[in-house]
Amino acid sequence: AQSVTQPDIHITVSEGASLELRCNYSYGATPYLFWYVQSPGQGLQLLLKYFSGDTLVQGIKGFEAEFKRSQSSFNLRKPSVHWSDAAEYFCAVPVNAGGTSYGKLTFGQGTILTVHP
Amino acid sequence: DGGITQSPKYLFRKEGQNVTLSCEQNLNHDAMYWYRQDPGQGLRLIYYSQIVNDFQKGDIAEGYSVSREKKESFPLTVTSAQKNPTAFYLCASRNRGRSYGYTFGSGTRLTVV
Repeated sequence: AQSVTQPDIHITVSEGASLELRCNYSYGATPYLFWYVQSPGQGLQLLLKYFSGDTLVQGIKGFEAEFKRSQSSFNLRKPSVHWSDAAEYFCAVPVNAGGTSYGKLTFGQGTILTVHP
Repeated sequence: DGGITQSPKYLFRKEGQNVTLSCEQNLNHDAMYWYRQDPGQGLRLIYYSQIVNDFQKGDIAEGYSVSREKKESFPLTVTSAQKNPTAFYLCASRNRGRSYGYTFGSGTRLTVV
């Protein structure tokens, strides 16, 4: 089964600093990849998604992610973090990353982002 | 506005009781999903449904049951057979196809007391 790993459980950055959240996937071909954000006690919101084509994907709230096949990674970045970005972030991949999976997603363990003023 | 409504937001249950979590969507989405979220474990799929009157088990279906009698509704029952039901439960929906664009509800936090 396809999987994603988020190596960092918790990251702390200062407001205005740059951010990179790591995501590694396991799949032989090019997978579909997603980043979601979750505020405390809330549901998840899609930040961005990668299907094919340009490996640098722009998302909402100033986030971007870069697909790197050689590193099996899909890291999320933001050049300048705002206090409102404090949340938990999840990387996800379809259960059958390149074929029929009935929309089922496998999520990483999540990375909690804390932003210091 | 279209969206997914989960109710209640907080739910307390005594051991040995069944409890039903509500999930309603007005997005006209075909597929609906239930995920369980525990700290540090991401989201795990409980059940999913692609069409009305049809549903399949996910990775952790034991102790749970669902129904899909209407397109808009996908209630989840947590039975007394679920050994560790205290968790945050998320419902999601999407249109069938390749977009995988989930819409999530705001969740129900279930606590067994």
